[in-house]
Amino acid sequence: SAVISQKPSRDICQRGTSLTIQCQVDSQVTMMFWYRQQPGQSLTLIATANQGSEATYESGFVIDKFPISRPNLTFSTLTVSNMSPEDSSIYLCSVEVVGTGLYEQYFGPGTRLTVT
Amino acid sequence: AQSVAQPEDQVNVAEGNPLTVKCTYSVSGNPYLFWYVQYPNRGLQFLLKYITGDNLVKGSYGFEAEFNKSQTSFHLKKPSALVSDSALYFCAVRDGEGFNKFYFGSGTKLNVKP
Repeated sequence: SAVISQKPSRDICQRGTSLTIQCQVDSQVTMMFWYRQQPGQSLTLIATANQGSEATYESGFVIDKFPISRPNLTFSTLTVSNMSPEDSSIYLCSVEVVGTGLYEQYFGPGTRLTVT
Repeated sequence: AQSVAQPEDQVNVAEGNPLTVKCTYSVSGNPYLFWYVQYPNRGLQFLLKYITGDNLVKGSYGFEAEFNKSQTSFHLKKPSALVSDSALYFCAVRDGEGFNKFYFGSGTKLNVKP
């Protein structure tokens, strides 16, 4: 397994501002993902964070709104830009070590974002 | 299209009784199936998975799940529930070895009462 930390754990932000969420893994991993979990709902994949190239976004999510960086194999950031109350969610980072035959994803503790 | 259904928003059981949390799936290829648990204000924790082999898989905290290909189901079970099992449970599927994308169910809240 992998130990994943996220910063901040929670934040309250004003509409129109941006927040950058950090995800740090204790080992080098191949795949990193960012999910959104809206209140009382399931997880929705935002994008796959690719090391050394642009992230791959899912339908309904765009780079201008959710820019992602992945400068190395243990770290990624997700920025929620020009926030509105609809962006209030838990944002989760997850990782998978491809090639181990495990096929499991491991999740960080999440960042609880409230936009006022 | 790949999808996962958890038909029950909530399951209530008494402590000591067996519990079942239901999950059905739809994938175009071979299903890789997972159960995760989420405690309040925590991230998701991996419980168990089915990739291949024995249809009954055992996982953490005494949980097990049975893969049923004909019914496209992967129900989570535990013989004797504990109050500490109360949490939100998510079923997830991925479509075979070559694809990394997980599809999550809507989640089932398990309430275990003393």
